[in-house]
Amino acid sequence: AQSVAQPEDQVNVAEGNPLTVKCTYSVSGNPYLFWYVQYPNRGLQFLLKYITGDNLVKGSYGFEAEFNKSQTSFHLKKPSALVSDSALYFCAVRDTNAGKSTFGDGTTLTVKP
Amino acid sequence: DTGVSQDPRHKITKRGQNVTFRCDPISEHNRLYWYRQTLGQGPEFLTYFQNEAQLEKSRLLSDRFSAERPKGSFSTLEIQRTEQGDSAMYLCASSLELGADTQYFGPGTRLTVL
Repeated sequence: AQSVAQPEDQVNVAEGNPLTVKCTYSVSGNPYLFWYVQYPNRGLQFLLKYITGDNLVKGSYGFEAEFNKSQTSFHLKKPSALVSDSALYFCAVRDTNAGKSTFGDGTTLTVKP
Repeated sequence: DTGVSQDPRHKITKRGQNVTFRCDPISEHNRLYWYRQTLGQGPEFLTYFQNEAQLEKSRLLSDRFSAERPKGSFSTLEIQRTEQGDSAMYLCASSLELGADTQYFGPGTRLTVL
């Protein structure tokens, strides 16, 4: 079985400040981990993924995420937030032997000018 | 690549009617996935195909739901005898192969059952 938790429904940050969106996961084997972003009335857009290797993964639009095996976490980060980063963010996990992905319930990020 | 496309984008139907949605994946992708997303929740897995073979179905997929991918290209998702609880966004995604490959999502079909 696999599951994902995004403990914060909403994250508010000021433009220019660093942001973190939290994600923890549970899988029976080794995980593949993903972050997606969803803008209103749009499909999910891929941001980044962790497969193996370096625990710090860099992705699109200046986002990065840190894989922490001992804490089973994969938090999304950005050093300096933009107003245009305001959107709904989803973390997803897939067991290396599975076909399907399991998504969290999403975190709404609001960046205020 | 033109991306994953879905048709229609919106569907309003009356309870008890049948509806069918279409998904066209990215052309070289051999895996195709269907998810359902309701307000305030993340996408929930429904089923996936590798080429024309349906490899896994969620328990969420009742016998009123059927999906096909007859030639390993586009896929259809049919819901028979729709219920108000079927109202949701139906998302399609495709990927190149199993494993760490990224699933790319279409814009979704929003179903409203009156």
